[in-house]
Amino acid sequence: AQSVAQPEDQVNVAEGNPLTVKCTYSVSGNPYLFWYVQYPNRGLQFLLKYITGDNLVKGSYGFEAEFNKSQTSFHLKKPSALVSDSALYFCAVRDPNTGGFKTIFGAGTRLFVKA
Amino acid sequence: EAGVTQFPSHSVIEKGQTVTLRCDPISGHDNLYWYRRVMGKEIKFLLHFVKESKQDESGMPNNRFLAERTGGTYSTLKVQPAELEDSGVYFCASSQESRASYEQYFGPGTRLTVT
Repeated sequence: AQSVAQPEDQVNVAEGNPLTVKCTYSVSGNPYLFWYVQYPNRGLQFLLKYITGDNLVKGSYGFEAEFNKSQTSFHLKKPSALVSDSALYFCAVRDPNTGGFKTIFGAGTRLFVKA
Repeated sequence: EAGVTQFPSHSVIEKGQTVTLRCDPISGHDNLYWYRRVMGKEIKFLLHFVKESKQDESGMPNNRFLAERTGGTYSTLKVQPAELEDSGVYFCASSQESRASYEQYFGPGTRLTVT
């Protein structure tokens, strides 16, 4: 069955330090991978996606993510965290071969950036 | 461009009552999705419309849930009768293109509490 795991409920990092939010997935074939961010009282907002090509994808607000097929991971990264990055982050996957448009989300990871 | 809007933002109802949630997608977006997030858990897919047609309703929990999209514009999700386990945040999302590689635009969600 298709699934997404975000192993950390919360990630704490100091402002200016690099951050990583982890995501692993279980999908057969070549998945489409997404990261979304949710700020308080707002809907999910698209950050970046991997469809094909270069394994390192860059997105909004300086975020990037690396697709690793052998480890079935798609970790979200940022070289220097800002307090304003504090939010809830969701990893998501689509299986274009079997799942159509059905998107599978992880449980979310809360990022807390301390000044 | 107006984003995806949802109404109401909050709803508190008693077990056995009926509630109808509404979603207005971004104008021109043929694809509309409903999701639900139970407290602290993953966001779960409920169903997908293309215009007024249901493309995939595999995530609908049971026949107490009825989604409609008359005219291919806004959508409603009715829960009748509501049960305690229906509590959660219901998100609506839309996308323009009928391709799985496209990201979705989310509304702020409706927080449903069944007491």
